[in-house]
Amino acid sequence: SQELEQSPQSLIVQEGKNLTINCTSSKTLYGLYWYKQKYGEGLIFLMMLQKGGEEKSHEKITAKLDEKKQQSSLHITASQPSHAGIYLCGADIWYNNDMRFGAGTRLTVKP
Amino acid sequence: GAGVSQSPRYKVAKRGQDVALRCDPISGHVSLFWYQQALGQGPEFLTYFQNEAQLDKSGLPSDRFFAERPEGSVSTLKIQRTQQEDSAVYLCASSWGSGKSWWPFFGPGTRLTVL
Repeated sequence: SQELEQSPQSLIVQEGKNLTINCTSSKTLYGLYWYKQKYGEGLIFLMMLQKGGEEKSHEKITAKLDEKKQQSSLHITASQPSHAGIYLCGADIWYNNDMRFGAGTRLTVKP
Repeated sequence: GAGVSQSPRYKVAKRGQDVALRCDPISGHVSLFWYQQALGQGPEFLTYFQNEAQLDKSGLPSDRFFAERPEGSVSTLKIQRTQQEDSAVYLCASSWGSGKSWWPFFGPGTRLTVL
């Protein structure tokens, strides 16, 4: 079972459109991590958020952690085919360094 | 190499065979994690090491699964008497340590297919 809920499960957008992926937990998150995975490959680290209300950006990707540290969103602006892949949120829920993951959001960007 | 490496990348086993999957973490990384990823799912936690100590093995699905990291570097995940439901990608990750500021780096995974 997944202790982190991700939505949507899959997303198809037209190139150039914006999109948002959400990650929710019923527990306080001690560190929220976003990774990207392409088929047949390992996970590539995108961003880490630790403080309530924190927001980070890298190129066209922005991630936020809410004040209660129970929900995070990943926003992609002006999507490109290179953004396609599976986006996974991971978090240390038990405050013991065990990172748990959501089920992932599969993103397809149509040219 | 500079990253986490795993071997073999692909493994086909007949049901009932034993398999051993290897993970070479980044040099100096204290923490090491194993995950199982079924098709279309997120990674499921299996076990966690800090140096050679296995601090959490709550995710190991049965006593057929065993992991070790005897010298605090290379780790091996062993699956005995493999079953078809063991077919998955097994991911290894390592990080600097218990500090919350350090994120795990992942290897490319080993794809296990049990026939």
